[in-house]
Amino acid sequence: SQQGEEDPQALSIQEGENATMNCSYKTSINNLQWYRQNSGRGLVHLILIRSNEREKHSGRLRVTLDTSKKSSSLLITASRAADTASYFCATDSYYGNNRLAFGKGNQVVVIP
Amino acid sequence: DTEVTQTPKHLVMGMTNKKSLKCEQHMGHRAMYWYKQKAKKPPELMFVYSYEKLSINESVPSRFSPECPNSSLLNLHLHALQPEDSALYLCASSQGRGLAGELFFGEGSRLTVL
Repeated sequence: SQQGEEDPQALSIQEGENATMNCSYKTSINNLQWYRQNSGRGLVHLILIRSNEREKHSGRLRVTLDTSKKSSSLLITASRAADTASYFCATDSYYGNNRLAFGKGNQVVVIP
Repeated sequence: DTEVTQTPKHLVMGMTNKKSLKCEQHMGHRAMYWYKQKAKKPPELMFVYSYEKLSINESVPSRFSPECPNSSLLNLHLHALQPEDSALYLCASSQGRGLAGELFFGEGSRLTVL
């Protein structure tokens, strides 16, 4: 089944810096979502972007979607120590029977 | 705080034990899910219930048995598990018939099989 794949896999930044992570996928999608997971906890939905949208903002989060390149990016501006987490993209598509397919995840560490 | 509640948070069981994981949501969601997550891996879908009926079983071994007593509750019955079944088990819910909408996750039940 289709899966989003994030790149890079691990990112370590100083507090206050911006963090950018990418997600690529293989087939046309309906929607793409980003989730955050703190260590040992459940996943928290961050943002959903539809296939006909190119950019979306939510607080310090900015998500872009480039359907021609089959890729998305998540930007966290002015990072905080509390942003330390794993970030997963998840896609759904007709080709994946509309199931949500999670990518491998990015580990982000924000150093205070 | 999550609106999906999972119990217990931690469970240690032997391979001959029978135990259950429980999940509850009161958001009126009609789709509920069980996911399994190993360390440093993405969640893997196990089961989906839609309107209290099992709609998806991702070829999960029969030692895992899901149950949806009502629209707010989801159980996962465990029997004769193997050590490789040790993982974080996540429950999630979503509106409508599910599958691709925003998922609301619980905090998970950390299972260790000895």
